[in-house]
Amino acid sequence: GNSVTQMEGPVTLSEEAFLTINCTYTATGYPSLFWYVQYPGEGLQLLLKATKADDKGSNKGFEATYRKETTSFHLEKGSVQVSDSAVYFCATEAGGSYIPTFGRGTSLIVHP
Amino acid sequence: SQTIHQWPATLVQPVGSPLSLECTVEGTSNPNLYWYRQAAGRGLQLLFYSVGIGQISSEVPQNLSASRPQDRQFILSSKKLLLSDSGFYLCAVDREGLKETQYFGPGTRLLVL
Repeated sequence: GNSVTQMEGPVTLSEEAFLTINCTYTATGYPSLFWYVQYPGEGLQLLLKATKADDKGSNKGFEATYRKETTSFHLEKGSVQVSDSAVYFCATEAGGSYIPTFGRGTSLIVHP
Repeated sequence: SQTIHQWPATLVQPVGSPLSLECTVEGTSNPNLYWYRQAAGRGLQLLFYSVGIGQISSEVPQNLSASRPQDRQFILSSKKLLLSDSGFYLCAVDREGLKETQYFGPGTRLLVL
């Protein structure tokens, strides 16, 4: 089945710093890839997604590019804000089953 | 777009007591429904999913059960809670088709004492 590996956190940054959260996946076929964000005390929200190789998903200043050659979908943001503090989950679609695969989540803490 | 309701928002229960968490969905029909648990400091664990009324698939053996009495209602239950059942329970939905995004409810925080 599919699997997703994320860098372990927490990631601690100062405001306006550059962010990278690494994500690699294993999957059969060509799954869609997702980044979800979970703010404290809330459910997950879709942040961005990419459905095929070389696609770039973007939202709220975050970007991630679907790299099939390296099986990666790293999340980046050029200048983080305190309000970006949250847990970020990388995920693949369900593929041949109904079961999507989530990474373990990476906590981001941004200090003013 | 769909709206997902979960209740209660927070629950404190003694060990050995029963549990019933409810999830209802508006704005979509024939959704696939999911129950996840998020324990402190851990990622998401898929507990159950359902592709239709009365159809439940379990991903992990445990003392929890799930039911789907209506198309847009998904219930998570237990007859006797364990301490290890504490966590944040999330209901999620996606529409037909395997590439669709999952949408999550606000979650229920359960503390078993």
